[in-house]
Amino acid sequence: GIQVEQSPPDLILQEGANSTLRCNFSDSVNNLQWFHQNPWGQLINLFYIPSGTKQNGRLSATTVATERYSLLYISSSQTTDSGVYFCAGPSGNTPLVFGKGTRLSVIA
Amino acid sequence: GAGVSQSPRYKVAKRGQDVALRCDPISGHVSLFWYQQALGQGPEFLTYFQNEAQLDKSGLPSDRFFAERPEGSVSTLKIQRTQQEDSAVYLCASSLTGQINGYTFGSGTRLTVV
Repeated sequence: GIQVEQSPPDLILQEGANSTLRCNFSDSVNNLQWFHQNPWGQLINLFYIPSGTKQNGRLSATTVATERYSLLYISSSQTTDSGVYFCAGPSGNTPLVFGKGTRLSVIA
Repeated sequence: GAGVSQSPRYKVAKRGQDVALRCDPISGHVSLFWYQQALGQGPEFLTYFQNEAQLDKSGLPSDRFFAERPEGSVSTLKIQRTQQEDSAVYLCASSLTGQINGYTFGSGTRLTVV
């Protein structure tokens, strides 16, 4: 199955700063997704982005499928952005294979 | 319901005890998935149902793990003779049609085996 690598593993930001999170995958992934897991454990889907670029408010994501990576951009970060960001994609019969995540802490 | 509901929210079990974790999916959602998330790791796939049929259980780590969804709605994940390595958060997700971009996750059950 595919391997999903995320970087950086940990990130601390001052409120208002911008950041870029990266996801590399070992094989072609048709249906890459980004999730945010809040401090209470809830996983929320941010983007379904097999290719191209999408934007939702202060968040945007770009997937370059031919080069097997995706980027998540967070602009003007807020403390509520804290949590763990995961990328995931299907592999064979497994619906979603997750990376280990990037743990983001935004401090006021 | 409005979301995927999991209970209990927290469970502490003595090693060797059997536990049952419940998932109540969004009403009408056909597909239901269980994931296991160890501390500091991403969720790992356990098993998948479409209605009452268990289509894939390849992720279940041992024969001590058993999942069912007898009426195609509520699902129960049972772990027999719990071991310390079973300590994790167990996440349930449902989707209307099985489309992977339509997942809704529950908040999980945190299992601690002592």
